Amino acid sequence: DAKTTQPTSMDCAEGRAANLPCNHSTISGNEYVYWYRQIHSQGPQYIIHGLKNNETNEMASLIITEDRKSSTLILPHATLRDTAVYYCIATNTGTYKYIFGTGTRLKVLA
Amino acid sequence: GAVVSQHPSRVICKSGTSVKIECRSLDFQATTMFWYRQFPKKSLMLMATSNEGSKATYEQGVEKDKFLINHASLTLSTLTVTSAHPEDSSFYICSASKNNEQFFGPGTRLTVL
Repeated sequence: DAKTTQPTSMDCAEGRAANLPCNHSTISGNEYVYWYRQIHSQGPQYIIHGLKNNETNEMASLIITEDRKSSTLILPHATLRDTAVYYCIATNTGTYKYIFGTGTRLKVLA
Repeated sequence: GAVVSQHPSRVICKSGTSVKIECRSLDFQATTMFWYRQFPKKSLMLMATSNEGSKATYEQGVEKDKFLINHASLTLSTLTVTSAHPEDSSFYICSASKNNEQFFGPGTRLTVL
């Protein structure tokens, strides 16, 4: 699996958009980008995934660069409950093993 | 939905004993499940891939005789930590695959005294 790198931590004001970057410069053509988040002492929660087109769902938007070497997860209106560690994973599909990087610890501030 | 449960959620045991952790997919069948462990303030580390009806595939550095995995049905995988020691104390998390997603259990916190 492609190695992903993310900033260690970020702060975001409540109500503002949180933009979380991820680098996956060695991603291969058939690998998807998945995003999960983990709230303290819980299992990771699926957020969104994509291959090359931008994706949006009720939780977030995923912007993937044209060369697919990086992506950005956007939480449009961050709330205090969005405080968590966010993981970006590059993998063939959800049925393939995930290799977690260090993730980004997002803190949403009141 | 796709719900994955784990049992127990928390276990404390004495050094030298064995502990079994169950992972169940409640509303779907999963031919593949995964086991991870997580130390405090660290990321999840994949331990093994559990395939229904066949032997598990272990990641490099994970002792298969220490961490026994059984995936006897399409909804249940078990992880047994044999002869547990304090350094095995960790948060163990399983996941199950459905379509193009992995659904994670809530985790099991193991403390070995």
